[in-house]
Amino acid sequence: GAVVSQHPSRVICKSGTSVKIECRSLDFQATTMFWYRQFPKKSLMLMATSNEGSKATYEQGVEKDKFLINHASLTLSTLTVTSAHPEDSSFYICSASRSTSGLLYFGPGTRLTVT
Amino acid sequence: KQEVTQIPAALSVPEGENLVLNCSFTDSAIYNLQWFRQDPGKGLTSLLLIQSSQREQTSGRLNASLDKSSGRSTLYIAASQPGDSATYLCAEGGSNYKLTFGKGTLLTVNP
Repeated sequence: GAVVSQHPSRVICKSGTSVKIECRSLDFQATTMFWYRQFPKKSLMLMATSNEGSKATYEQGVEKDKFLINHASLTLSTLTVTSAHPEDSSFYICSASRSTSGLLYFGPGTRLTVT
Repeated sequence: KQEVTQIPAALSVPEGENLVLNCSFTDSAIYNLQWFRQDPGKGLTSLLLIQSSQREQTSGRLNASLDKSSGRSTLYIAASQPGDSATYLCAEGGSNYKLTFGKGTLLTVNP
């Protein structure tokens, strides 16, 4: 099956610093990738839709200046959490679509802890 | 705003039992309905995808149904095994591949 990777799997950073998370589709090209955030015992919430070569589309309530998304190639999207705060601590998951079937392949997630 | 609700929030069953997980959604114009499995601290594994024109999909011991008119989907797991223990998420698929997730059902299968 299609594989999506994320790096890093875990990261701890200090409050006020920025953290970059990478999402890669390893064996297929993904024109669209999605970024989700999951808090403990909560559902995954879509943060933004990342389109290769264009600006990301953010969901209501998600600060685009805080969560910078870059989709520079058909296999890589990055999410940068700028000026991180403890409340940004969460599990961030990306997904990518391989075809028009609607099936999404998810990365393994990145656990961010802001101290 | 679409909402997806999953019942029960948690379920514990003995090994070998058949079980049903429930999912309800509010958007009647869904494109598809997907069921995922999530192990603790891990990402998601897609289990079954039902297109809006379909009524069910089967994979091994798993069977998922979709009733758009009532806004419901069920995931049936036959002959449950301890390895099935995980959180099961359903997600309603809208346009542009957007998914709206439920909070999940935490399943524990006891040996």
